[in-house]
Amino acid sequence: AQTVTQSQPEMSVQEAETVTLSCTYDTSESDYYLFWYKQPPSRQMILVIRQEAYKQQNATENRFSVNFQKAAKSFSLKISDSQLGDAAMYFCAYRRGNSNSGYALNFGKGTSLLVTP
Amino acid sequence: GAVVSQHPSWVICKSGTSVKIECRSLDFQATTMFWYRQFPKQSLMLMATSNEGSKATYEQGVEKDKFLINHASLTLSTLTVTSAHPEDSSFYICSARGWDDGSPLHFGNGTRLTVT
Repeated sequence: AQTVTQSQPEMSVQEAETVTLSCTYDTSESDYYLFWYKQPPSRQMILVIRQEAYKQQNATENRFSVNFQKAAKSFSLKISDSQLGDAAMYFCAYRRGNSNSGYALNFGKGTSLLVTP
Repeated sequence: GAVVSQHPSWVICKSGTSVKIECRSLDFQATTMFWYRQFPKQSLMLMATSNEGSKATYEQGVEKDKFLINHASLTLSTLTVTSAHPEDSSFYICSARGWDDGSPLHFGNGTRLTVT
């Protein structure tokens, strides 16, 4: 079974600064997808960014970018120019490549990000 | 973007009663829907995967007779918590995936269930 590990239960960043959230995963598959989801206090799950494993280029979405190291099985999220609205729980997720599973997501335990003024 | 509607957003019920939670994909056909459970300050745990017109696949440890899942159409899946007990109190979130293999999951707003 694929496991997703987020080793930072909590992180703090000052407004306008940059923060990196770490995520590692374990898998024997070669083709898969990785995601970062944001869960604010409203508990709505919001997709932040996704990465296809077969793509070497790191995904970028505005202030959010990832550092995808396939050999190391590492998938960190960098948030630049942090804003107060970025404060939330961030979950790293692995999408199973087996279609029999319907491509369900395995989530890490999450990192709570605090943004200070 | 793709919208998934989940109702109710919160519900309180008495022990022994059943509660039904609906999950609808509003602007796309969801070939597969997933039901997750989230305890306070914890991660999302997959309960079951449902495909339209077939029986749901439950994760190990999830009681299929307690958590009944029906996926009758490409836009609607329901989760019924039968004979609810206080330990079933939790946050339940549905998600849906469209036809594209690479499409991300779209999540409903979740349902907070409290069993008294």
